[in-house]
Amino acid sequence: QVQLQESGPGLVKPSETLALTCSVSGGSIRSYYWGWIRQPPGKGLEWIGNIDSIGKSDYKSSLKSRVTISLDTSKNQFSLKLNSVTAADTAVYYCAKISDGGYRHYYMDVWGKGTKVTVSS
Amino acid sequence: DIQMTQSPSSLSASVGDGVTITCRASQNIANYLNWYQQKPGKAPKVLICGASSLQNGVPTRFSGSGSGTDFTLTISSLQPEDFATYFCQQTFTPSWTFGQGTKVEIK
Repeated sequence: QVQLQESGPGLVKPSETLALTCSVSGGSIRSYYWGWIRQPPGKGLEWIGNIDSIGKSDYKSSLKSRVTISLDTSKNQFSLKLNSVTAADTAVYYCAKISDGGYRHYYMDVWGKGTKVTVSS
Repeated sequence: DIQMTQSPSSLSASVGDGVTITCRASQNIANYLNWYQQKPGKAPKVLICGASSLQNGVPTRFSGSGSGTDFTLTISSLQPEDFATYFCQQTFTPSWTFGQGTKVEIK
């Protein structure tokens, strides 16, 4: 049973880099695809990006210039980096495992509990 | 990016009521549409993938339908544990998007 746990600073200063890690247990990071999603306070879900088992990533268009998702196979983790943050990046950040329901019908079937990140000086 | 529009944004219903939530895509997404349920303070949980395939363990009172641009999530008889926010998600393009959510509240 795959389980996910997000970790990282809960407070980031404006213009700095938000860096989060998702630790994977109960399965190999090489066996699945993985994603990051965020949810600003009181708002809906925003997909940030995905990474496949060999490190190929896709990102939300409006975040593409600031975001990097990468794998660390030695630690069975994957990470999110978001540069030049502003208050608008304040949110709960979730990591998720992606499964294929067949014919590339991907869905996010395992989620971390989420970690709250506030951007403030 | 493909825009996903859910309606209504919120609804009030009673236990035992049938409820339908709609999700409209800004372009054809075939059946690359998932539904998630989120309760306050919790991570989302996938209910349906591929527009109509119920995930293991999800009660059969939940059902999904649609293809192309118009999709529905139906709860046939609301139970107390179904009061939550529901999100649709398209995975047709490499850049995925969620709907804005529909909050189902107790009348």
